[in-house]
Amino acid sequence: GAGVSQSPSNKVTEKGKDVELRCDPISGHTALYWYRQSLGQGLEFLIYFQGNSAPDKSGLPSDRFSAERTGGSVSTLTIQRTQQEDSAVYLCASSYPGTRTDTQYFGPGTRLTVL
Amino acid sequence: GNSVTQMEGPVTLSEEAFLTINCTYTATGYPSLFWYVQYPGEGLQLLLKATKADDKGSNKGFEATYRKETTSFHLEKGSVQVSDSAVYFCVMYSGGGADGLTFGKGTHLIIQP
Repeated sequence: GAGVSQSPSNKVTEKGKDVELRCDPISGHTALYWYRQSLGQGLEFLIYFQGNSAPDKSGLPSDRFSAERTGGSVSTLTIQRTQQEDSAVYLCASSYPGTRTDTQYFGPGTRLTVL
Repeated sequence: GNSVTQMEGPVTLSEEAFLTINCTYTATGYPSLFWYVQYPGEGLQLLLKATKADDKGSNKGFEATYRKETTSFHLEKGSVQVSDSAVYFCVMYSGGGADGLTFGKGTHLIIQP
């Protein structure tokens, strides 16, 4: 079926506003990852969902960041009170069955710009 | 801590040239190693991988050998094409620390006809 999709593709917001980024993984993929790619930096792991297990939030940079995954499918990454340093491309990936060496399929990303 | 270092870009080559993109890693234990590629306007996709020392990953004419003695996983291709123009990421999974993968910063490859 279709690949991983993300929306919006671009988001421009003002400092202090909240934003929500959406990820639709490949149907049937049990694992879902969020990453952040800042200018000139490598990809930074944010959070990992695997099936019905509690998510691994060890990569979230601050308590302004949160994510949820409803029904084991769609995921939303929320950034509260955005700061300029949050500007980056946010990438979502999914895999099956979800071990770390499984191929991860990436979405096109959401480019977030905080003014 | 864990880290992945790959050569800075952009790397500009002529079509049919030989390509090497260097990648070295620092990790405890024995990580798995990957190369991901991002073509213009597309999402990241796995190019090849190697899960233990001396393994060679290959795909689409690209190869990389997991060298434990030099902690390296250099990407090579004997004859590049314009369609190989993309950003290439060297990636490591070490199994420890924060879950997920450690990505290099990416190397932008430009192939000129």
